[in-house]
Amino acid sequence: IHMTQSPSSLSASVGDRVTITCRASQGIRNDLGWYQQKPGKAPKLLIYGASSLQSGVPSRFSGSGSGTDFTLTISSLQPEDFATYYCLQDYNYPLTFGGGTKVEIK
Amino acid sequence: QVQLQQWGAGLLKPSETLSLTCVVYGGSFSGYHWSWIRQSPGKGLEWIGEINHSGITNYNPSLKSRVTISLDTSKNQFSLKVTSVTAADTAVYYCARGAGSGINWFFDYWGQGTLVTVSS
Repeated sequence: IHMTQSPSSLSASVGDRVTITCRASQGIRNDLGWYQQKPGKAPKLLIYGASSLQSGVPSRFSGSGSGTDFTLTISSLQPEDFATYYCLQDYNYPLTFGGGTKVEIK
Repeated sequence: QVQLQQWGAGLLKPSETLSLTCVVYGGSFSGYHWSWIRQSPGKGLEWIGEINHSGITNYNPSLKSRVTISLDTSKNQFSLKVTSVTAADTAVYYCARGAGSGINWFFDYWGQGTLVTVSS
């Protein structure tokens, strides 16, 4: 299953609402997670099951979607949110990641 | 608190075998899937494969012929071997725990990453 993320990068300001999309090449129910990665660090789980917030993750992060189209939204961008975000489908093997979206400071 | 700590050789020559080990502190092996994931320099993430507590494996077809993932429950660790490496295998390699909630699976704990460079 091929996962296409868009945009590949974006520039935003602190306080902005940011939306990242992920499209699957076939239906994957809600078997999708979102991860945040900062330079030199391992990815961190934000969302699983398309919309379930991982424990300890701020509520400004939310996920939605089902089937082939999914969205990660950051309601009010904070300085610590500048990072690269990846989606991951766990519908079937091989597990596949999207290409990533780099969120940069405007 | 669960922690994954990984280690292995960081510099290999072409045709050598990559070998990494990940030890799990503070948690059980049972009920989880244990994966290896890699990230080529400046690029995205690629799932390599996994093993569960019973020793059942799943591999990415892109690497399957060269990859072996094994488990040593007595030492709370699992390992990755990739044979006949080339420059294309140069990447940061991560171990990760796959956990489930209902029918959804996700990686909730990760190792710190190991940079493996393949160069003659």
